[in-house]
Amino acid sequence: QKEVEQDPGPLSVPEGAIVSLNCTYSNSAFQYFMWYRQYSRKGPELLMYTYSSGNKEDGRFTAQVDKSSKYISLFIRDSQPSDSATYLCAMSDPGGFKTIFGAGTRLFVKA
Amino acid sequence: ETGVTQSPTHLIKTRGQQVTLRCSSQSGHNTVSWYQQALGQGPQFIFQYYREEENGRGNFPPRFSGLQFPNYSSELNVNALELDDSALYLCASSSPGQAYEQYFGPGTRLTVT
Repeated sequence: QKEVEQDPGPLSVPEGAIVSLNCTYSNSAFQYFMWYRQYSRKGPELLMYTYSSGNKEDGRFTAQVDKSSKYISLFIRDSQPSDSATYLCAMSDPGGFKTIFGAGTRLFVKA
Repeated sequence: ETGVTQSPTHLIKTRGQQVTLRCSSQSGHNTVSWYQQALGQGPQFIFQYYREEENGRGNFPPRFSGLQFPNYSSELNVNALELDDSALYLCASSSPGQAYEQYFGPGTRLTVT
């Protein structure tokens, strides 16, 4: 079993839809939970990170962490064609020495 | 503020050869991590450097080695290249102990034939 599981998609939605992206994990030691966006042929770009359980909002993006279920989510409101990319979840141990990534979900937002 | 840069952009090598990839960290960051990203996969942690010493390592064999220099730039060296080493190699910089806030470079695309 992988430490982090993420559905690779692809996920195709119409412009303006609410997008839900999810990951599950197995290591209860993870304390930091991150979401990255990666456009084709580019490096990952940090969208947001959350410490422990709870919600965090940044513009159209909301991250949720449920440590009891070992489940994290990223919601994108009013999705735009420019949101079309691969979204990677990632987790880090308390020491911050090592980050484990999910496989990424490919998202297509159709105009 | 200068972002993370990597060189070269693309590289083609033959199986058995050796390769060196380079990374300059974002200004103010003294920790550098290297990742391997195969096509359709997430980045896999190779190792991290802090104060010119390896500070953590993933599941990669010893033929993957690195260096960090006093100016915090870094090199990734891979010896005895194998076909499976073909991937995008990513460098990320961060402040110490803050792997949750890493900033990535554009990557080096390595093809081994």
